Amino acid sequence: QVQLQESGPGLVKPSEPLSLTCTVSGGSTSSGSHYWAWMRQPPGKGLEWIGSIYYDGSTSYNPSLESRVTISVDTSKNQFSLKLRSVTAAETAVYYCARHPYGKNSGGFDPWGQGTRVTVSS
Amino acid sequence: QSVLTQPPSVSGAPGQRVTISCTGSSSNIGASYDVHWYQQLPGTAPKLLIYGNTNRPSGVPDRFSGSKSGTSASLAITGLQAEDEADYYCQSYDSSLSGLWVFGGGTKLTVL
Repeated sequence: QVQLQESGPGLVKPSEPLSLTCTVSGGSTSSGSHYWAWMRQPPGKGLEWIGSIYYDGSTSYNPSLESRVTISVDTSKNQFSLKLRSVTAAETAVYYCARHPYGKNSGGFDPWGQGTRVTVSS
Repeated sequence: QSVLTQPPSVSGAPGQRVTISCTGSSSNIGASYDVHWYQQLPGTAPKLLIYGNTNRPSGVPDRFSGSKSGTSASLAITGLQAEDEADYYCQSYDSSLSGLWVFGGGTKLTVL
């Protein structure tokens, strides 16, 4: 079955960029049937959708983050990545990657990666 | 402030039935976008529990069921078990500028 695994630094300094990669196994980022997404969850708080990417590189971002976010896909490596610029301590969170069906009304996020904890601190 | 509103907490005794509500608006649930539900056990990633308002992925017990009406949706859990103690999130698509894929704030289920 499809599995996703996040990787990247666990500590980022304030005002610096946060960069994470999600590696997909058992499935293909070249699939025209799915988006590939990033979410985050601050400690003790709820889930926030950051953005999604399609295999052709087209993206959708949360408007609250759009000016600082870039999501990219490397189908040759079966990976997709998140870059969030100028982070603050408030963006300390567990970051998750996940897959969801193509289309506005086609299904939920499934599966999810195990998550990676990122702390923003000097 | 989440686009979808859930109660912060619910509780029930083993064997009982509990429901968790998810209230949206005319730009998401009320616009006929599907609602999906996730279960997040302590220290783990969310898991898809209900998709397309009422459908259970393979392996999810039939004690879990979903419904939708108007601008709201509900998750019902019957025959409550200790292992059901978790956080539950609803999620949908929103066509306004507040975001595209949106989550509820989450509900903590405590099994007494």
